[in-house]
Parts: sequence; C-alpha cells; structure tokens
Amino acid sequence: GENVEQHPSTLSVQEGDSAVIKCTYSDSASNYFPWYKQELGKRPQLIIDIRSNVGEKKDQRIAVTLNKTAKHFSLHITETQPEDSAVYFCAASINDYKLSFGAGTTVTVRA
Amino acid sequence: EADIYQTPRYLVIGTGKKITLECSQTMGHDKMYWYQQDPGMELHLIHYSYGVNSTEKGDLSSESTVSRIRTEHFPLTLESARPSHTSQYLCASSELQAGGGTQYFGPGTRLLVL
Repeated sequence: GENVEQHPSTLSVQEGDSAVIKCTYSDSASNYFPWYKQELGKRPQLIIDIRSNVGEKKDQRIAVTLNKTAKHFSLHITETQPEDSAVYFCAASINDYKLSFGAGTTVTVRA
Repeated sequence: EADIYQTPRYLVIGTGKKITLECSQTMGHDKMYWYQQDPGMELHLIHYSYGVNSTEKGDLSSESTVSRIRTEHFPLTLESARPSHTSQYLCASSELQAGGGTQYFGPGTRLLVL
C-alpha cells in the first residue's frame, strides 16, 4: 500500500516568517494530495489539495507544490500568523479514494 | 446545514462493556470512513464503506465492527472494550469523485476505557 512520510515532525517559526512542510509518497500511481489542518481539540479540515496533473496550487498565503518524478509534495505557508499554529497532515490517494496520511507536523508560530 | 455528526463526544466506560459510536452525515456522501487517532498524532484508517451494505477493513487492524444500512449512518461497535481501545475516533465522509474526493471529518469521539 501507499506509504507517506512527513517532515519535520515539529516546526517553530517566528510570526511573519514562512513555514515549509515536506511529504514523500511511495506509490507512483497516487494522484490526489490533500493537506489538512487540525487545531487543538478540533477536527481535521482541508486547507488545500492538488491533483497529479498540476504542479503547483496557491490559495492566499498557502501553496502546495508537487514533484511527481521525485514523488514528493510540499506545503508552503507565507507570512505566518499565530492562528496558523496547529498540526498539519499531508495525505496521498490512489483512485480507490482511501487516503494514506503522514504522521503530522506540529507548527508553532511565535509572536 | 450539511455536516457530519458524532455521538457521544466523550465516553468513559469500564473494561468489557459493549459500546457503539454513532456517526451520521447530511452531506449526501456515499463514502464513509472511521479513523483512530491519538491526540495530535497520525490518523489510522480502521474501516470504510463505499455505500449501503458495503464495509471494508482499513489499514490498521481493529477489533471494532461497522455497519452501513443507511447511506447517512455508519456506526462503529466494540463488543468488549479494553484499555487499549482508549483513543479518539473520527468519522469522515466523501463524495464519489474520480481521482479521489475531499474527506470531511466529524468532531470525533474521545473514548476512555478504564
């Protein structure tokens, strides 16, 4: 099955700086890559996703890049704010709609 | 408002008890899922369903069972709870979409087995 690795496990950034989280996947057939944000005590919520026919997608301060050849994708958060503090999960899916999640990255934005 | 609902939100129960975690969605989705997650840790898929009368085991072995008699309802049952079952259980749903669809999560049930 699909194996998704996520790095780093924890990330501390100064408010206003950028944060980058990287994920690698094992199955070259994976074609859907969502990112979820989970605040303390809350449910995971989708923040951005990308499909394999696209190399980059941006939504305001959040962007995701995908390198199919290297089988890795990254989440970029610019101009970080305290409300960006959360656990972020990457995931990968093949056409059977099951998601394989990474282990998560705890992001702390220091004021 | 379309959403995913889980009850109870918190459950403390003794070893050996039978429990059922309820999940219902008004999203109109066909696919539903159960994940097990220790707080802030990785999500592990334990069950999923493509639709009514369809249930499949996930990637993480679980002693729980599920049923899907109605599209909007996907309950999870533990016949005999043990302390090792202590965790958070998240229900999710997604629409059928070629290439994978967004999964929407419920608020979760935090289970503590004494």
